[in-house]
Amino acid sequence: QQPVQSPQAVILREGEDAVINCSSSKALYSVHWYRQKHGEAPVFLMILLKGGEQKGHEKISASFNEKKQQSSLYLTASQLSYSGTYFCGTARGSFGNEKLTFGTGTRLTIIP
Amino acid sequence: EPEVTQTPSHQVTQMGQEVILRCVPISNHLYFYWYRQILGQKVEFLVSFYNNEISEKSEIFDDQFSVERPDGSNFTLKIRSTKLEDSAMYFCASTERMNTEAFFGQGTRLTVV
Repeated sequence: QQPVQSPQAVILREGEDAVINCSSSKALYSVHWYRQKHGEAPVFLMILLKGGEQKGHEKISASFNEKKQQSSLYLTASQLSYSGTYFCGTARGSFGNEKLTFGTGTRLTIIP
Repeated sequence: EPEVTQTPSHQVTQMGQEVILRCVPISNHLYFYWYRQILGQKVEFLVSFYNNEISEKSEIFDDQFSVERPDGSNFTLKIRSTKLEDSAMYFCASTERMNTEAFFGQGTRLTVV
């Protein structure tokens, strides 16, 4: 069963912050975040593993609440280059043994 | 930087024809995947492949689909008799080991007419 993302779409002005949520009805082992620009392949952002720490680099970070089966992606001081569709991918076991199931996607538009 | 390459970038085929989509994963990667994305929709899992056999497949991956790794470098997806609803962008991905990032190719846009 695919994870559910919210919001479905968001429009921000450059410099504003955004939070994208991903939730699953099943227990998760890992959550993976990807960004896809129109007509391009998904590009990896980060992985969060069960029992692991909150991840982040520069102005993009994420958290994983294993008990609630939820993850959130935080984008601070957004830049024009952040525009795209963000997908979370979830695995119920070790990814490799288990498939990655992608969420419904969140379309982020940054305007000047 | 190593990358996953896919050919062709775009293929148009008539309904009922066979197509083969080709992928060259990153050389030291061990796990391989095919996903597809119908225009504007989510990325859907088709099949995963490890140690020269299918690890898992989705309900989409029926008897019309097959995968092969014929020569240790290429990874192919064959659709035996294409249907209109097979029109989509097909992405190949590979990972070096478990629980690491999946690298996606640029995709093959398949159009069935």
